[in-house]
Amino acid sequence: QQQVKQSPQSLIVQKGGISIINCAYENTAFDYFPWYQQFPGKGPALLIAIRPDVSEKKEGRFTISFNKSAKQFSLHIMDSQPGDSATYFCAAISTGTDSWGKLQFGAGTQVVVTP
Amino acid sequence: ETGVTQSPTHLIKTRGQQVTLRCSSQSGHNTVSWYQQALGQGPQFIFQYYREEENGRGNFPPRFSGLQFPNYSSELNVNALELDDSALYLCASSPGGASGGIQYFGAGTRLSVL
Repeated sequence: QQQVKQSPQSLIVQKGGISIINCAYENTAFDYFPWYQQFPGKGPALLIAIRPDVSEKKEGRFTISFNKSAKQFSLHIMDSQPGDSATYFCAAISTGTDSWGKLQFGAGTQVVVTP
Repeated sequence: ETGVTQSPTHLIKTRGQQVTLRCSSQSGHNTVSWYQQALGQGPQFIFQYYREEENGRGNFPPRFSGLQFPNYSSELNVNALELDDSALYLCASSPGGASGGIQYFGAGTRLSVL
């Protein structure tokens, strides 16, 4: 079963607009939540990540919001640019000693930024 | 660039054949994980190697096997290939320890099974 649920499946945003992608999880053992950006024919690239003791993290135009009680987190892309057009994956992992490395990915969101 | 390199880039095999995919991890990283990404889906965890031993395994059959070498590079072997094995195979390296959640991916090997 999918441990991380991601929505929407796709979205189209105008240049300069805000892209918002949402994810939800059930496993409370997850303690690290990265977002990956993937371009066609490439591997996923780590974009930004957050731990549950923080409610928000911002890096440039990318912001993660985290709601521990609701077990939800989201990625906001501010001032979206055509170069941001890619597929975005949320992921979650428990970094406990018996579960290293098992990143659980969402299904992905294809973002298209129109000029 | 993540410093994680995978070879080959593309591979075409026929059903029933065997395949070996290779991965060189980022310098200083002792942990390698392998993922399978079907078209239009998120990566699925196959297994992880830490200091040359399998550290965990996802829901994949035993015909998916791996190795990690003393220099921390790794191989993924798939026997008796099936059509559904067609996918992008991704290798990710991480420094392990408390930062084990941070994983850096290679560009992947695109496997087509005919």
